[in-house]
Amino acid sequence: GQNIDQPTEMTATEGAIVQINCTYQTSGFNGLFWYQQHAGEAPTFLSYNVLDGLEEKGRFSSFLSRSKGYSYLLLKELQMKDSASYLCAFSGAGSYQLTFGKGTKLSVIP
Amino acid sequence: SQTIHQWPATLVQPVGSPLSLECTVEGTSNPNLYWYRQAAGRGLQLLFYSVGIGQISSEVPQNLSASRPQDRQFILSSKKLLLSDSGFYLCAWSVTRTGGSYGYTFGSGTRLTVV
Repeated sequence: GQNIDQPTEMTATEGAIVQINCTYQTSGFNGLFWYQQHAGEAPTFLSYNVLDGLEEKGRFSSFLSRSKGYSYLLLKELQMKDSASYLCAFSGAGSYQLTFGKGTKLSVIP
Repeated sequence: SQTIHQWPATLVQPVGSPLSLECTVEGTSNPNLYWYRQAAGRGLQLLFYSVGIGQISSEVPQNLSASRPQDRQFILSSKKLLLSDSGFYLCAWSVTRTGGSYGYTFGSGTRLTVV
């Protein structure tokens, strides 16, 4: 079957670095996505990994290990505006849909 | 550029009343379209998806239905709302590349409260 898991909540300090982990299980795999969702708003796309390794985009980086079914989102130089839920999702091979995790609520404190 | 419009933003409806939420996409042809629901404290639940006009696939049995009367229009409906239908409804679109989807772009969402 398909399954995806990420921590429910995390807290980090402004200016620090935080890593949000995601593990998944699927019989076919075609990509791993990270979305950011502020309270009361729609999710917005952050990153996409299809090959193993690290993808860097400014303060945000995402890592994928397909053999381990594991990904993480790394946020550097945290800002108060980074307080949001971060959703991990994968695309199955040949599938139209994304399967989402329940999201990790990140609180950035001064 | 592609844009997605979803309305209304907020809706309060009594139990047993009908529902119609609309979503339109601009700037692309033949998109894959999706309806998701996000209940408080829960993840995104796929309700329906469509790969073309008149083609609807349902993921979860319930009292909701979806229709795609035009290429870039996707409608979510109910004849009689239940309290459990309350939630944040999100429309999304994607293009399909070989082997699977390339991620979603979401509409701004509709906050539905059934009272």
